[in-house]
Amino acid sequence: AQSVTQLGSHVSVSEGALVLLRCNYSSSVPPYLFWYVQYPNQGLQLLLKYTTGATLVKGINGFEAEFKKSETSFHLTKPSAHMSDAAEYFCAVKETSGSRLTFGEGTQLTVNP
Amino acid sequence: NAGVTQTPKFQVLKTGQSMTLQCAQDMNHEYMSWYRQDPGMGLRLIHYSVGAGITDQGEVPNGYNVSRSTTEDFPLRLLSAAPSQTSVYFCASRREFSSYEQYFGPGTRLTVT
Repeated sequence: AQSVTQLGSHVSVSEGALVLLRCNYSSSVPPYLFWYVQYPNQGLQLLLKYTTGATLVKGINGFEAEFKKSETSFHLTKPSAHMSDAAEYFCAVKETSGSRLTFGEGTQLTVNP
Repeated sequence: NAGVTQTPKFQVLKTGQSMTLQCAQDMNHEYMSWYRQDPGMGLRLIHYSVGAGITDQGEVPNGYNVSRSTTEDFPLRLLSAAPSQTSVYFCASRREFSSYEQYFGPGTRLTVT
């Protein structure tokens, strides 16, 4: 079965610092990969996705992620954190066959002034 | 488009009571699903549907029923509520054969006492 691991349930950065949120998946076949963001008391919103093609994917709010097949990773980065980036971030994978989307446990990002 | 709507936003039940969480989408999406979100556990799939008349179980289906009589609606029924079902419930929808971007509703916060 597909699994997703997000390293670090809580990450804290200073405003203006690099944001790096880690995601690794288990799959013998490259899946479709997603990052979602959840602001307090709201539903999830898609940040970016990888399906095929270019392995560096750009999303909303200045975030990007790189699919690395050899490392089975899809880490999320942003060069300079903003206070408004404080939220919970979820990595998700979908096998190329089948319908289910499997989510990681989430990483709570705190941005300090 | 309203997107994915969920009602109610909040609900308190007593142990043993039953209720239905409503979910509707106006995007003509084939795929709809229900997740529960608990602290430190990410989102776990309860049930999903790939079209009207077709439903299947996810990771944590026990204690929940679903049906899909129309493309738009996908209600989740709690048959006999238990404190372990205290959670935040999210409904989501997407096109089945596309980029697999899921759209989430705003959530229902359920407390079972």
